[in-house]
Amino acid sequence: SAVISQKPSRDICQRGTSLTIQCQVDSQVTMMFWYRQQPGQSLTLIATANQGSEATYESGFVIDKFPISRPNLTFSTLTVSNMSPEDSSIYLCSVKAGTGLKNIQYFGAGTRLSVL
Amino acid sequence: AQKITQTQPGMFVQEKEAVTLDCTYDTSDPSYGLFWYKQPSSGEMIFLIYQGSYDQQNATEGRYSLNFQKARKSANLVISASQLGDSAMYFCAMSSDQTGANNLFFGTGTRLTVIP
Repeated sequence: SAVISQKPSRDICQRGTSLTIQCQVDSQVTMMFWYRQQPGQSLTLIATANQGSEATYESGFVIDKFPISRPNLTFSTLTVSNMSPEDSSIYLCSVKAGTGLKNIQYFGAGTRLSVL
Repeated sequence: AQKITQTQPGMFVQEKEAVTLDCTYDTSDPSYGLFWYKQPSSGEMIFLIYQGSYDQQNATEGRYSLNFQKARKSANLVISASQLGDSAMYFCAMSSDQTGANNLFFGTGTRLTVIP
């Protein structure tokens, strides 16, 4: 397994501002994932972040709204830009351990974001 | 299309009793992986157990076991000897070649409450 540190753990932000969430892993990993969990909902994959290349975004998510950085094999950031109350969610990063379909993902503790 | 269904929004179980959380899935892929995660109120996602579609035996991890019935496309989680700390949301998830081997597709979750 991997130990994943995510910061901040929670934040309250004003509409129109941006927040950058950091994710640090205790070992080198090829892929990191960012998820959103809206209140009372399940997890939805935002994007996959590979070191040295552009992040791959899922349908419904765009780089302008959720820019991602992946400067090295142990760190990634997700920015939630120009926030609105609809962005209030838990944001989680994860890393993959395992091969093929045994895609066991280990998650950080999440960032609880409230947008006023 | 991939689909994970968890029909029980909430479940109650007496402490020290066993409980089964239901999960059915739909995929046309012959090769897939099934996962269960626990999400306490603190928000982190904790990996519990994995079952591969070609695994001959049902997966077990301590007090957790996965009742895998391939023909019925079900992957129910059984928790034995429930503890108060088991109170949490539980999510069933799947990966397959259709979702992309790196992607996890989550169900809507079941909230388990353990009663003293």
